[in-house]
Amino acid sequence: DQQVKQNSPSLSVQEGRISILNCDYTNSMFDYFLWYKKYPAEGPTFLISISSIKDKNEDGRFTVFLNKSAKHLSLHIVPSQPGDSAVYFCAASLGSARQLTFGSGTQLTVLP
Amino acid sequence: DADVTQTPRNRITKTGKRIMLECSQTKGHDRMYWYRQDPGLGLRLIYYSFDVKDINKGEISDGYSVSRQAQAKFSLSLESAIPNQTALYFCATSPKGREGRQNEQFFGPGTRLTVL
Repeated sequence: DQQVKQNSPSLSVQEGRISILNCDYTNSMFDYFLWYKKYPAEGPTFLISISSIKDKNEDGRFTVFLNKSAKHLSLHIVPSQPGDSAVYFCAASLGSARQLTFGSGTQLTVLP
Repeated sequence: DADVTQTPRNRITKTGKRIMLECSQTKGHDRMYWYRQDPGLGLRLIYYSFDVKDINKGEISDGYSVSRQAQAKFSLSLESAIPNQTALYFCATSPKGREGRQNEQFFGPGTRLTVL
């Protein structure tokens, strides 16, 4: 039973446009949500996070939105760049144990 | 530059063999984790350790064991490898408490393990 789901395995967007990656979760006790980016042959790298007490966090071209009532979060990348092409993982953590539960990932391809 | 390293990066082995994957970190973090990644399933937690001598099972610990020999080293062992343990394995670290960015974990480059 997946507690964190990314229902779109892939997404293609044109350079300069907005990329929107989505993530759904089932456990209302999650207190932080994170996005990781992964390039081939590398480990995941942290991108941006949001606390469950907030609904938006912004860092440069990246913005994460959290809708607690819908148990849904999204990552917006604007403008998208070819270097953003990677697999994006949504993850959620619970309490001081800091265990992360990951979604299955979305392959983003930004076309020049 | 503080880093998380994994050895080997690639390994092919046969069913029934004992395999050890090593993880070392120079970040000075107390917490270390082992994950495996399978296509379509994301990363799943195998074991984690909050300090030397502290070992905790994750979501999918069956068939695996770990050893935390020092703060900087966390090893994952497959006592008798089987084909469905073919996967990409990642080690990760995180600082104790809230020093990090909201539960951020730092990942190594991964080990690709193939069990024939």
